[in-house]
Amino acid sequence: ILNVEQSPQSLHVQEGDSTNFTCSFPSSNFYALHWYRWETAKSPEALFVMTLNGDEKKKGRISATLNTKEGYSYLYIKGSQPEDSATYLCAFKSSGSARQLTFGSGTQLTVLP
Amino acid sequence: GAGVSQTPSNKVTEKGKYVELRCDPISGHTALYWYRQSLGQGPEFLIYFQGTGAADDSGLPNDRFFAVRPEGSVSTLKIQRTERGDSAVYLCASSPGQGPTYEQYFGPGTRLTVT
Repeated sequence: ILNVEQSPQSLHVQEGDSTNFTCSFPSSNFYALHWYRWETAKSPEALFVMTLNGDEKKKGRISATLNTKEGYSYLYIKGSQPEDSATYLCAFKSSGSARQLTFGSGTQLTVLP
Repeated sequence: GAGVSQTPSNKVTEKGKYVELRCDPISGHTALYWYRQSLGQGPEFLIYFQGTGAADDSGLPNDRFFAVRPEGSVSTLKIQRTERGDSAVYLCASSPGQGPTYEQYFGPGTRLTVT
């Protein structure tokens, strides 16, 4: 059974604050790490796919890093805005079962105006 | 272009009834996935189709759950003799390929409530 953990479970920040969350995953049989953003009543939106140790990806104010050797990824949001409020999910893809995603339980972010 | 669509968006059914949940993937996507998200948890894999065939159904919890994709496009997830524990959001995703960098594009989900 693959164990993907996310922390914190929930987070409240003030508008303008920067924040980050952690995703930890098995360091063996690594294939890919996905980040998704999921707003209530909408489809989960793909943010990043990361495959190489040391990868850094950026999309606007959101960025992510990847360490496959120690099994963690960080997601950063710079200058949080109320529209960033959502659940952020990471998902691990193992080379052993390279089609399905194993998700963490998510970090629920609330940005207060 | 059109994304993944799922119908119905909400379904309330009584314990013991049969339900069908439909997924329309992005046109041309050969891979289709079903996941289930229970309260407080991340989505859990149920089944994966490559074309018309179920390539991996290891996530289906028991034989009350069955899914089809007869023409390699639309898929239907079928649940027999529903139980209260089946209440969850059922998510469908499609992908143009299987390699490590391919995204899975998700629909908005069907919220199933079994009373």
